[in-house]
Formats: sequence, structure tokens, C-alpha cells
Amino acid sequence: DVKVTQSSRYLVKRTGEKVFLECVQDMDHENMFWYRQDPGLGLRLIYFSYDVKMKEKGDIPEGYSVSREKKERFSLILESASTNQTSMYLCASLLGGGQAPNEQYFGPGTRLTVT
Amino acid sequence: DAKTTQPNSMESNEEEPVHLPCNHSTISGTDYIHWYRQLPSQGPEYVIHGLTSNVNNRMASLAIAEDRKSSTLILHRATLRDAAVYYCILILGSNYQLIWGAGTKLIIKP
Repeated sequence: DVKVTQSSRYLVKRTGEKVFLECVQDMDHENMFWYRQDPGLGLRLIYFSYDVKMKEKGDIPEGYSVSREKKERFSLILESASTNQTSMYLCASLLGGGQAPNEQYFGPGTRLTVT
Repeated sequence: DAKTTQPNSMESNEEEPVHLPCNHSTISGTDYIHWYRQLPSQGPEYVIHGLTSNVNNRMASLAIAEDRKSSTLILHRATLRDAAVYYCILILGSNYQLIWGAGTKLIIKP
């Protein structure tokens, strides 16, 4: 059974703290994604990675960075957390390759509150 | 940017078919149409996808208009467990980037 896990379901941090969100997939997928989800705005792509040590900015990368040192792990880093980064963060992975894009598998999400 | 338009919400009775519409009038020839759904307190899950032809799987059917500017997700017999937000999404060519809209909240009445 395919699985994407995220390090925490709920997280509370203070303004200015450095925050690490971890995502691990066990499907040997090349592509991994970080989204944030806010009411009324749907899912917005922050960063994605199509290979180890490779990364691409999504629609809203400001205030975030990522790290992909191993194929199975994709980390999202908030260098200095701010209250406007309070959100639900979702990680996803995708096999990639081939002619047709196939399904993304999502983790359960991390609800981050920055106070 | 290619994007999709869906109704904010829809209601249906349990055990009846549900047709969820999606407009994507700016779709290009290489864009795939994907549907995902998100149950409460969970991450989204894949439902179905297609390019030009209608598609069926164990979860649903996808009907794509001939001009590809709209599509309809069909749940043949809705259950209470199908209550979720359904997203119609375009995947741009081969770069796998999904463009998400606001989705349709499906309410199933017992």
C-alpha cells in the first residue's frame, strides 16, 4: 500500500522560529511537492522536486525553502516563521516518467499555527 | 494560465447518481484533466483522469466534451462516504504541475 507520511499532524510555533516540515514517501517516486491549503484559496504549490537535490519554485515560494537529500524525503523549511504562514501544509509524491502524468499521492497534512 | 471553474457546492441524495461539472475553456491540447477529492481532515486523493476519451474506473466515470472545454465527473451511486470537496484540475503537458481550483463541496443527504 502506497504511503506518504508527514512528521506532524499539528504544530504550534512562535513568530521568528525556524520550522522544519518533513515528508517521506515509500513508493520510490521521483517527484515530490509541497502545497499549502487555506480556506477559499484551495491548494497552492510552494515548491516541487523532480529528483534528488533538484528543486523548482511553485506559485508561492517566498518565505520557504526546501531540501531533498534523499529520494524518499522532501523537507519544507520556514526560515523565520510568520503568522501569515499559519496554514495546512500538504506533501505529495508522483511517480513521473512515461507519456501521461499519473496520480499524486498526498500525505495527511500538517496544520501549522504560528503565534 | 489554464484554470477550471466548478460550482461551489452541490447536493445529492444517497444512492443516486451525481454529476459534477467542470469548465476548462482555456485547456490546451496537451493538458490532462484530473479529478481529486478531499474528505474532511484528510489530504486529497486521486479519483480519475483523462485526455480526450471518456474514462471509467472503480471509483467514478469521467465524461469529456468533444471540444475538451468541459468535463463531468460521474459518481454512479453516491454514498455518505462520498461527501467531500471534489477538485477538477488541469495538468500542464508533461511537467506534472497541477493547477487547483476551489473545488465543489458535495453534500450527500441520507
